Amino acid sequence: SQTIHQWPATLVQPVGSPLSLECTVEGTSNPNLYWYRQAAGRGLQLLFYSVGIGQISSEVPQNLSASRPQDRQFILSSKKLLLSDSGFYLCAWKRSFGSYEQYFGPGTRLTVT
Amino acid sequence: AQTVTQSQPEMSVQEAETVTLSCTYDTSESDYYLFWYKQPPSRQMILVIRQEAYKQQNATENRFSVNFQKAAKSFSLKISDSQLGDAAMYFCAYRVSGNTPLVFGKGTRLSVIA
Repeated sequence: SQTIHQWPATLVQPVGSPLSLECTVEGTSNPNLYWYRQAAGRGLQLLFYSVGIGQISSEVPQNLSASRPQDRQFILSSKKLLLSDSGFYLCAWKRSFGSYEQYFGPGTRLTVT
Repeated sequence: AQTVTQSQPEMSVQEAETVTLSCTYDTSESDYYLFWYKQPPSRQMILVIRQEAYKQQNATENRFSVNFQKAAKSFSLKISDSQLGDAAMYFCAYRVSGNTPLVFGKGTRLSVIA
């Protein structure tokens, strides 16, 4: 069966510090991968998605970036965090063929102070 | 651009009763998929039910069922015999075929009253 992991689960970082959130998927190959952000009490905002290693599509240009160094690894980064980067970050995956459901990881709660 | 609208920010239902959450979407595509996700207080997003646009039969998963009206671009979720554990945010989502990401509505917060 497939599982998706995210870490850390919670993170408190000062303004201006760097960020690295990691997402990995087990039990499948060449998944489509997605990063979403959810502000408190609000909907999901798509940040990035990837259909393969090194292929990143950005939906919201800002001080965040994403990378996919390995087939089942998706990393969300920032060089300098802003207060507005606080939120709940969700990673999701989908099979590249033969399926259309998208499954989510447990999320990372980021607080920028 | 495709959009998904959930017009009910909050809903409440008595335990054991039935509630319907509304969702409408805007698309020019003929082949697409619709979903309802549940987000409990843990904030884990859980897939509740899915519907393929080419299927006329409404999807059903235990106490959860949908009313899919393709011409009206409506996709409502009915929860029967509501339980306390059904209390959560519910998101309606849409995608066309292929690798395109899901488009989400803003969500409906459902409270279940004992």
